[in-house]
Amino acid sequence: QSVLTQPPSASGTPGQGLTISCSGSSSNFGTSTVNWYQQVPGTAPRVLIYSNDLRPAGVPARFSASKSPTSASLVISGLRSEDEAVYFCAVWDDTLKWVFGGGTKLTVL
Amino acid sequence: QVHLVESGGGVVQPGRSLRLSCAASGFTFNIYAFHWVRQAPGKGLDWVASMSYDGSNIYHADSVKGRFTISRDDSRNTLFLQMNSLSPEDTAIYYCARSSGSYEDDAFDFWGQGTRVSVSS
Repeated sequence: QSVLTQPPSASGTPGQGLTISCSGSSSNFGTSTVNWYQQVPGTAPRVLIYSNDLRPAGVPARFSASKSPTSASLVISGLRSEDEAVYFCAVWDDTLKWVFGGGTKLTVL
Repeated sequence: QVHLVESGGGVVQPGRSLRLSCAASGFTFNIYAFHWVRQAPGKGLDWVASMSYDGSNIYHADSVKGRFTISRDDSRNTLFLQMNSLSPEDTAIYYCARSSGSYEDDAFDFWGQGTRVSVSS
């Protein structure tokens, strides 16, 4: 069981907006920032969002994120077929370890 | 262009050892922290170990503590993971990842393609 809780699956149609949640506790969300990773099946993960809400170069503006004291959200606006992937949240925990969410498998219908 | 290439995976019997390597190129290796993350078949991401840019901070997951050791050789631009006393539960793809900064709590900004480890009798 993962330290961070994500819904196991989500789905939407092309053009639709969608939110993926990630919940934790004060020991991980309290002082640390949240990062989001995207993993297309058969490939390595890549960073999608870092430091709660920052997008690396090359990540479309359709992806955004936010963080509150014990949870975070990844928002995808204008879904596209290439967004079909598994999305993981991650934080550096106060106990000096990285913790990941279990992952949310996104299906674009 | 940042490149991380893992090697050293394979099939090994329970109780044996393996040493994974991650060869880095395209950037200044010795100013970045690095990590190992694994993914069991059909499962999510599982953090294994992290090391700061100068090796002063080293952390291992409880599940591998005492069995696995992360290290780096800056002269060879290479990260290592020594894995001893392997068990079937260690079967996974092992990814090397670079931190976006010098310390272990920075986001993982580049990942290798992974090397597969299978522990089976």
